[in-house]
Order: sequence, then C-alpha cells, then structure tokens
Amino acid sequence: DAGITQSPRHKVTETGTPVTLRCHQTENHRYMYWYRQDPGHGLRLIHYSYGVKDTDKGEVSDGYSVSRSKTEDFLLTLESATSSQTSVYFCAISGSRAGGPETQYFGPGTRLLVL
Amino acid sequence: SQQGEEDPQALSIQEGENATMNCSYKTSINNLQWYRQNSGRGLVHLILIRSNEREKHSGRLRVTLDTSKKSSSLLITASRAADTASYFCATDARGSQGNLIFGKGTKLSVKP
Repeated sequence: DAGITQSPRHKVTETGTPVTLRCHQTENHRYMYWYRQDPGHGLRLIHYSYGVKDTDKGEVSDGYSVSRSKTEDFLLTLESATSSQTSVYFCAISGSRAGGPETQYFGPGTRLLVL
Repeated sequence: SQQGEEDPQALSIQEGENATMNCSYKTSINNLQWYRQNSGRGLVHLILIRSNEREKHSGRLRVTLDTSKKSSSLLITASRAADTASYFCATDARGSQGNLIFGKGTKLSVKP
C-alpha cells in the first residue's frame, strides 16, 4: 500500500460529534488527498494538499476541514458529523512529476458510520 | 461531477475469457488512468495513458485511448478469478491541477 496508513480503520460515532481521521505516509510525497466512496457515486474528492500547510477544496468539501502540519500527515475533520457523512474514506498520495502529480497511491480506507 | 463513466456497470465472465471495459469522459485531458479495487480494499493503480498515446500494454492489460471520441477501453486478456474486482477510470483534466476525477466503476466477476 505504498507506505500509507489510515487511522482509525473503523469508527462508529453519533450525529453532532467531531471526528478526525488521520492519514500517514512514509513516502515523502508532496500531494495528499481525501476521498469518500459511496455506492452509486464512485470516489469523490473532499480536500487535497499540495504541500505543508497548503490545502484546497475538492468537489464535496462542505462539512469537512483538513490540516497538514507535516509532510507525512494529513488530517480530515468532520466538525459535527451527520448521517450523510457515513461513508468509506480513502487517503491517497502522489509524487511530483514535471507536469504535476500523476499516479495516486491509496490507503486501506476508513469505514465511518454516523448514527 | 463525474468526468469518466464506465460501461458496463457490471460484467460477468468465465476464466480464460477476455474482459473489456469502456470509459467515456467529457473534457480535454492530460492523461487517463485505470485503477482496480478489490472488495474492502483501497484502489491500486494499473496503467496510465497520456493524451498523445493511443495504446498501451502492461502484462495482460491493454488500454486504448481515442481523444476524438473522448473514450478509453481496458482489455484484460485470459482473465483469472483473481481479476474479480471493480475497475475505475480516472481522468486528469487539463486545468485540474493534477486532480483526478473518477468514474463509478465496472464490477468484474470472473467465474472459475
């Protein structure tokens, strides 16, 4: 899995509680991404980072925030979890190429259930 | 919004047969990639084809790209039960800062 870990791997929480998911890489890749995967929607980009402290929104960023204080860690926070955020969350990383990031390497995923 | 759309949504074949999956997309791209996802696992990169390439091979995989039709196909030859997985195309659209947009995937089942 290209040196990517996600924690926790499974989490059950209640509506309204804050949740933080962690992605850790040992590849020293510049780019990191958070996706969610839902039936019928495929993978959708939540937020991404192109360097320490450099982040930007993806397609479905509402209700999520991210932080990247070190190259190896990218945190995804649900400030107040809702049932619509029940999903499988994947972290991915990508190294730099001359034309920008290309191949992405994915972590094992975190299954989040919001009751 | 979905850039790539795979077709068919599901495909069931016998071991030894070839499997063909198609992907259509909407805007100009820098490259198109195919990924595989085994049940309960993360995605694994299979192959990348650039916009100026028409065909690429990797082992039993053959990918074609037709930029005039905005479409790509993934052919898996002599399929094995271990090829059972979902397959996704992902496009790196021009101006997207390298972000990929994934299709909804084709679920391939290879029966022994």
